[in-house]
Formats: sequence, structure tokens, C-alpha cells
Amino acid sequence: EIQLVESGGGVLQPGQSLRLSCTGSGFKFADFAPAWFRQAPGKGLEWVGFIRSAAYGGTSDYGASVRGRATISRDDSRNIAYLQLDSLKIEDSGKYFCTRDGGAEATIKGEDHDFWGQGTLVTVSS
Amino acid sequence: DIVMTQSPLSLSVTPGESASISCRSSQSLLHRTGYDYLDWFLQKPGQSPQLLIYLGSNRAPGVPDRFSGSGSGTDFTLKISRVEAEDVGVYYCMQSLENPRTFGQGTKVEIK
Repeated sequence: EIQLVESGGGVLQPGQSLRLSCTGSGFKFADFAPAWFRQAPGKGLEWVGFIRSAAYGGTSDYGASVRGRATISRDDSRNIAYLQLDSLKIEDSGKYFCTRDGGAEATIKGEDHDFWGQGTLVTVSS
Repeated sequence: DIVMTQSPLSLSVTPGESASISCRSSQSLLHRTGYDYLDWFLQKPGQSPQLLIYLGSNRAPGVPDRFSGSGSGTDFTLKISRVEAEDVGVYYCMQSLENPRTFGQGTKVEIK
């Protein structure tokens, strides 16, 4: 059974840093690009960023609202992806979801964003 | 960034009737492979998003056949035939042609 499980959320103050984890199981984690999305309370979905598999260079891309403050990394030996977000702002509050993003072949097979974690809640408040 | 625009933003449907949601993109979502990189998701209350349709018109595994996606280029439609009570939630379209992935505003579907 394919699963993605996020952890690491909590209450933080503006200016602090957070590190979220996404643990995958039931599939070949190394072949996919773990992706992070978030959702502010009562709002829509926003793409945070992802990290490509080693086969695609292992590089990361980020959304504009977190670029320069976010770092996504991965440990394929443990099937974990991390999201570090520095200089937290009030508007970073919300639920953070992890999903998987595949390469071209996975996309055609419908294996992009087909499984999501339950999310982890981040509250940034002074 | 590619801007995604959904309409309507809310929909109240009688069980058994059909519903359609429109999604337009600010530029073509046609990939060089010939597929349109447009997905549809449903987020039920209190749950994570779930993939309904990928590449514009392909149903994800386990998705009932009353859900169908159509369109190409910049104009796409999600149709729900014979709406059921379990279909309530917010529907989102998302383009995955390029980064950043971007979503429509969401369409909230309620049952009358």
C-alpha cells in the first residue's frame, strides 16, 4: 500500500525555522519527486516546491512565496523528503501536504499527485 | 506563471443531476508529448486532495465513471453525471505543465 506521511508541524514564531518530513512507503521512493503543497486556513491549494529524483538531477524548484527561504532535500536510503522553511511569516501558516510527482513516464501512467499524505499543521504566531 | 481560472466558484446540485466545472488556463497546457497537463482534484471536507482526472481526460484508478474530463489547450471541463451526496467538496484544476504548478480558485460543490 502506497503511503505518504508528513510530520514536524507545530506552533512557531515569526522569524523561526521549521523542518517538515515526508516519509514514503509502498513504492520506489527514489524514482519519484516528493512535492510539497500547502493550504492556508479556508483557502485554496498552493504548490510549495519539489525535489527531482537523482535520475533527473536531484534539483529543486520552489514557488515564489517561499523561494529563497525554502530548502527541500531528500534521503532516499530512508525514503524521506524534508522541507525546511526559514524566516517564517504569519502567512506561512496552514496545512502542509506531501505528494509524489513523477517523470514523464509516471505522468502518462497517472502517477503524479496520485497519493497524498494527511498533512501536518503549521501555525506561525507571535 | 500560468494562471488558472475556474467557474463557477460554487455549485448547488440536486442528487442525480449533472454538474459541470470549467477551467481555463492563461496559456496552452499541451505538452510536446501530445497530452494536456491538466489535473482535477477533489478535496472533501477535512481531507487531503484526491486525484480525479489526469492529463485532461483520464480517470484515476478507483474514480467512478460518472466523473469525466474533457477539453484541450486552454479550456477544460470536469463533468459529474448523476451527482451523489459523497461528491461534496471543493474541486480544483491544476496545471502541471511547468513550475510553479498552479491551481484554479476551487469550486465548492454542495448538495441541495
